[in-house]
Amino acid sequence: SQQGEEDPQALSIQEGENATMNCSYKTSINNLQWYRQNSGRGLVHLILIRSNEREKHSGRLRVTLDTSKKSSSLLITASRAADTASYFCATGDQTGANNLFFGTGTRLTVIP
Amino acid sequence: GAGVSQSPSNKVTEKGKDVELRCDPISGHTALYWYRQSLGQGLEFLIYFQGNSAPDKSGLPSDRFSAERTGGSVSTLTIQRTQQEDSAVYLCASSFTPLRGGELFFGEGSRLTVL
Repeated sequence: SQQGEEDPQALSIQEGENATMNCSYKTSINNLQWYRQNSGRGLVHLILIRSNEREKHSGRLRVTLDTSKKSSSLLITASRAADTASYFCATGDQTGANNLFFGTGTRLTVIP
Repeated sequence: GAGVSQSPSNKVTEKGKDVELRCDPISGHTALYWYRQSLGQGLEFLIYFQGNSAPDKSGLPSDRFSAERTGGSVSTLTIQRTQQEDSAVYLCASSFTPLRGGELFFGEGSRLTVL
């Protein structure tokens, strides 16, 4: 399966701390995306990093990609209670197929 | 509307009955996806439509599942003879084509409960 896996499965931190989530995948990719899902809602796109990029920033988000290790990390700095959600990585492969394969998610809880 | 719209938001049905779930994608998006999410789990790819091309049905779990997309817009996912293991949230997403470099826009999902 091409599905990615996030690590850890669950993470609980205090407001103001940084949160780091990791994603590993199995095949060569064209790009990797991170999505956020609030409980009982749909997914919202956060950031996309291409296979030829190593790091990308968007506001309080920092994403890294290591294609040699087939892994990515999502860092949320200065976390807020409103960041509480599940975070998923999704990979688009190089075969030309247009599917996005999602990981199993990290459940982040930010304690006020 | 501006976003992906799914209906019904909640559906409770009895085992053995057929259900239809509807997705109305963002206007102008030619790609449409269906995913299934079981409680506390990740997303399981079901089917993908791209323009007038034949859909990618590789993720459909059994022949009880089918989907169509009429006029390149609205899509219906049909589950025949529902089973309890079909209980999940069914998520629809759409995107511009090509997907590479693009993001998916998700609906709020249809929560299916099979009793």
